[in-house]
Amino acid sequence: GAVVSQHPSWVICKSGTSVKIECRSLDFQATTMFWYRQFPKQSLMLMATSNEGSKATYEQGVEKDKFLINHASLTLSTLTVTSAHPEDSSFYICSAGIGAISGNTIYFGEGSWLTVV
Amino acid sequence: GENVEQHPSTLSVQEGDSAVIKCTYSDSASNYFPWYKQELGKRPQLIIDIRSNVGEKKDQRIAVTLNKTAKHFSLHITETQPEDSAVYFCAVYNQGGKLIFGQGTELSVKP
Repeated sequence: GAVVSQHPSWVICKSGTSVKIECRSLDFQATTMFWYRQFPKQSLMLMATSNEGSKATYEQGVEKDKFLINHASLTLSTLTVTSAHPEDSSFYICSAGIGAISGNTIYFGEGSWLTVV
Repeated sequence: GENVEQHPSTLSVQEGDSAVIKCTYSDSASNYFPWYKQELGKRPQLIIDIRSNVGEKKDQRIAVTLNKTAKHFSLHITETQPEDSAVYFCAVYNQGGKLIFGQGTELSVKP
């Protein structure tokens, strides 16, 4: 089945620094990918839609200058958390879909744990 | 935008009993409704889904019902087992191409 791979699985960074998370579709091309954030004991909140070759579209309340998304190829989207602060510590997860949505056609990455100290 | 409400937030049942989790949504154009099981720190796992042209779908101990008129759908787990304990999320895929999640239900199955 189609696989979406996310890297790194976990990362610790110092407050004020930036960290990049990668999301790759391994055996299919994804013109659109999605980024979610999940705080402990909470739901997956959609942050933004990553569009290949164009700007990402962000959900209301998500700072586009803080969460930079780049989708430079059909198999790779990156999320960069800039000037990270402890409150950005969370589980970040990406997803991508194939064709018409039905059955197992939405694939999630493994997720990335970010801890900002 | 789409608004997805999920209840209850926690559910505790005895092994062998049934568990029901309910979700409502706001966008009548939504057409795909998956349910996910998520273990801590891992990606959501699809357990069952239903499309808007179907009212009910069953897979062994798990079933989902959809009332499109009322804009709500439910997950039914029968003969629950301790390994069913997890967090369950409903989700709604709308015409905008986005998958929006409910708040989640922490299910605990007591032996």
